[in-house]
Amino acid sequence: TQLLEQSPQFLSIQEGENLTVYCNSSSVFSSLQWYRQEPGEGPVLLVTVVTGGEVKKLKRLTFQFGDARKDSSLHITAAQPGDTGLYLCAGVSDGQNFVFGPGTRLSVLP
Amino acid sequence: EAQVTQNPRYLITVTGKKLTVTCSQNMNHEYMSWYRQDPGLGLRQIYYSMNVEVTDKGDVPEGYKVSRKEKRNFPLILESPSPNQTSLYFCASSPSITTFQYFGPGTRLLVL
Repeated sequence: TQLLEQSPQFLSIQEGENLTVYCNSSSVFSSLQWYRQEPGEGPVLLVTVVTGGEVKKLKRLTFQFGDARKDSSLHITAAQPGDTGLYLCAGVSDGQNFVFGPGTRLSVLP
Repeated sequence: EAQVTQNPRYLITVTGKKLTVTCSQNMNHEYMSWYRQDPGLGLRQIYYSMNVEVTDKGDVPEGYKVSRKEKRNFPLILESPSPNQTSLYFCASSPSITTFQYFGPGTRLLVL
């Protein structure tokens, strides 16, 4: 079974700070997705990265896919309370199933 | 509005009493799946379906059944629920296995 690890598991920061969360695996993925989940709701897609080394930006969020397509990072600039939530990465590898990491729970304090 | 719906949203039951959680999507997606989410363990896939009449086991299929008789519906069946199946369950759909998934709102199940 392919595994995805995420770090840190928990993160509590003040509004305005920057942060980076990581998603790592020993397996290669054909694509990797980041989702955000808020309490009482299902995960919602933020971005999909496909190409090794790819960088995508979504307003204050920057996503990077590792060159070897085994890892990814999510960087948030000037975090806001609205960024609070559970951030999940999910990998897909060559027709295999989706694999989710355990998530990083982010709390941004005003 | 494109969506995945699940019912019920909350369910309390007792050990051994059969239950079904329904899932329906209105996006004509081929791929559907069920997950359970437990603290510290993330989302674990129970079953998935590539298309009508095609289902396969995920990582944690024991104690669950599914069926895919129609493209839009993918019910999750617990024939004899046990307390270790207490969890938050999500149904998801996507156009294919290589694209991102749309998730339902979740069903919180408590088995006493």
